[in-house]
Amino acid sequence: DVKVTQSSRYLVKRTGEKVFLECVQDMDHENMFWYRQDPGLGLRLIYFSYDVKMKEKGDIPEGYSVSREKKERFSLILESASTNQTSMYLCASSLSGAGSRPQHFGDGTRLSIL
Amino acid sequence: QQPVQSPQAVILREGEDAVINCSSSKALYSVHWYRQKHGEAPIFLMILLKGGEQKGHDKISASFNEKKQQSSLYLTASQLSYSGTYFCGTEIIQGAQKLVFGQGTRLTINP
Repeated sequence: DVKVTQSSRYLVKRTGEKVFLECVQDMDHENMFWYRQDPGLGLRLIYFSYDVKMKEKGDIPEGYSVSREKKERFSLILESASTNQTSMYLCASSLSGAGSRPQHFGDGTRLSIL
Repeated sequence: QQPVQSPQAVILREGEDAVINCSSSKALYSVHWYRQKHGEAPIFLMILLKGGEQKGHDKISASFNEKKQQSSLYLTASQLSYSGTYFCGTEIIQGAQKLVFGQGTRLTINP
């Protein structure tokens, strides 16, 4: 089974801090994703990476950046955390190739910015 | 633009049927369905690729009407384990691998 591991289940940070959320997958997937989940809004894509060092902006990239130095690891960075970034963050991965592939999710990181 | 799911929430008794709809304003290449239980990761249920395609998984099945740009998820003879929030994810561009998710439908099954 695919395993997507997010480094923290819960995280509390202060306004203005630089925050790193880490995600590791163990199935050699090319694609990795960061989503933000808020009540009533579903999952919204922040950033997407289709290969090492390659990235694409999603629907809500403002205030975030990402890093993918190794295939198995995808990091989400909040450059200067703000209270409106308090949310649940989900990482996912999928295979690349022809056709549409299922995404495999981690358990999420609930981030609180005080 | 996010697809619209309906209903937003539904409460059933065990054994009853439910239908969850997902409508997009854009032409779709594929539709994914996921279920998320409280405090857990979303899990993949199924992908529908072709217009008019239907798929089944135990007592959960889905259809995809390409012309109407919508998909429906059918849960028959619901079980307690079906409780959770269901999300549709739509892929607009073939091969893009990016999904746009609906806002979710919360399904509660009572004994």
